[in-house]
Amino acid sequence: DTGVSQNPRHKITKRGQNVTFRCDPISEHNRLYWYRQTLGQGPEFLTYFQNEAQLEKSRLLSDRFSAERPKGSFSTLEIQRTEQGDSAMYLCASSGGRGKMNTEAFFGQGTRLTVV
Amino acid sequence: GQSLEQPSEVTAVEGAIVQINCTYQTSGFYGLSWYQQHDGGAPTFLSYNGLDGLEETGRFSSFLSRSDSYGYLLLQELQMKDSASYFCAVVKTGANNLFFGTGTRLTVIP
Repeated sequence: DTGVSQNPRHKITKRGQNVTFRCDPISEHNRLYWYRQTLGQGPEFLTYFQNEAQLEKSRLLSDRFSAERPKGSFSTLEIQRTEQGDSAMYLCASSGGRGKMNTEAFFGQGTRLTVV
Repeated sequence: GQSLEQPSEVTAVEGAIVQINCTYQTSGFYGLSWYQQHDGGAPTFLSYNGLDGLEETGRFSSFLSRSDSYGYLLLQELQMKDSASYFCAVVKTGANNLFFGTGTRLTVIP
């Protein structure tokens, strides 16, 4: 297993377009997180899955954002009608496994979104 | 909700010791983690404290006091490669979710 994989690494889109990002977590991990990070800030929590169940979603997240993890493996994050304020690095992380507590999250390299 | 506070910037000399503090306010606290992030890179896990006290991992140690809602990361024998941002993160009970602070940018100077 090569770790958490995110695609694409970079995305430039025009304002108003929809974008979708994919995250492939470490295969045995049952927990998956999405974060957004802007320059000089910490990762801001967006949403969290345990297996295929979306257990928590940030109140900061507008209805334009949606995430899925249909089979409890990979996850997608979609942003509809993108705005310039959506420009950020979108990070995915996974953790857990058999009998293992959530003490270490492994991050992907992120998808950098630029909305022009 | 939750909030975590860290100093925004710290500068220290190569070979020295530096302590990065973190205070938190949250419901359902389970533990405190620390992550390192180099410019352009992804956050990487450094340590976790589930119980009060000190956890040591090589040059890095982390401390937690649940009663004070306080923790710190201690970096010893600083090296230039330790220049990075350091984040404390609260692990919450139940869902075991993970919430990050705003980070401390550490600059190590010769």
